[in-house]
Amino acid sequence: AQKITQTQPGMFVQEKEAVTLDCTYDTSDQSYGLFWYKQPSSGEMIFLIYQGSYDEQNATEGRYSLNFQKARKSANLVISASQLGDSAMYFCAMRDRRAGGTSYGKLTFGQGTILTVHP
Amino acid sequence: GAGVSQSPSNKVTEKGKDVELRCDPISGHTALYWYRQSLGQGLEFLIYFQGNSAPDKSGLPSDRFSAERTGGSVSTLTIQRTQQEDSAVYLCASRERASSYEQYFGPGTRLTVT
Repeated sequence: AQKITQTQPGMFVQEKEAVTLDCTYDTSDQSYGLFWYKQPSSGEMIFLIYQGSYDEQNATEGRYSLNFQKARKSANLVISASQLGDSAMYFCAMRDRRAGGTSYGKLTFGQGTILTVHP
Repeated sequence: GAGVSQSPSNKVTEKGKDVELRCDPISGHTALYWYRQSLGQGLEFLIYFQGNSAPDKSGLPSDRFSAERTGGSVSTLTIQRTQQEDSAVYLCASRERASSYEQYFGPGTRLTVT
């Protein structure tokens, strides 16, 4: 079974500084996908970034980058130049990429990290 | 274009009553998921529909929970004989096709069972 672990219940960062949110995962699959979602207080889940297990480069999307260390089974999210609007809950998630079968595509989520950005 | 929509946004019901939650996925998206977000349990997968294939119901917590997807579009999640532990936010997500990776989430339905 897949498992995602986020060990930081809460994180604080000063505006304009960088912050790293930790995520480790456990899976026996060779092919998988890793995601980060942001959930502001409004409750909407916003997709941030995706990393495939066979991708050689770390994924980047604007101020978001994913520090993917496959051997250590970690997929940390780095937010550069934090903004007040980054204050939210952040979820790491995993999806198996096995083609076929009825479990394809469902996400397993970590418990989340609440990020607070201070002015 | 329009995103995933869910209705109602909030639902308060008495213990023992049945409820129906609706999800309208993004037009043309073949995959649809239901998740539940509750305090202490985080986000849990409930059920997955992909095209005309049999749904993956492996996440449904009990036989009081069921879901349908009619015509490959709208989906309804039904909870029968609601219990207080069913109180949660129910999130729906859709994905364009099997080869795409991004899931687009709706705003959720907050269910409170009194």
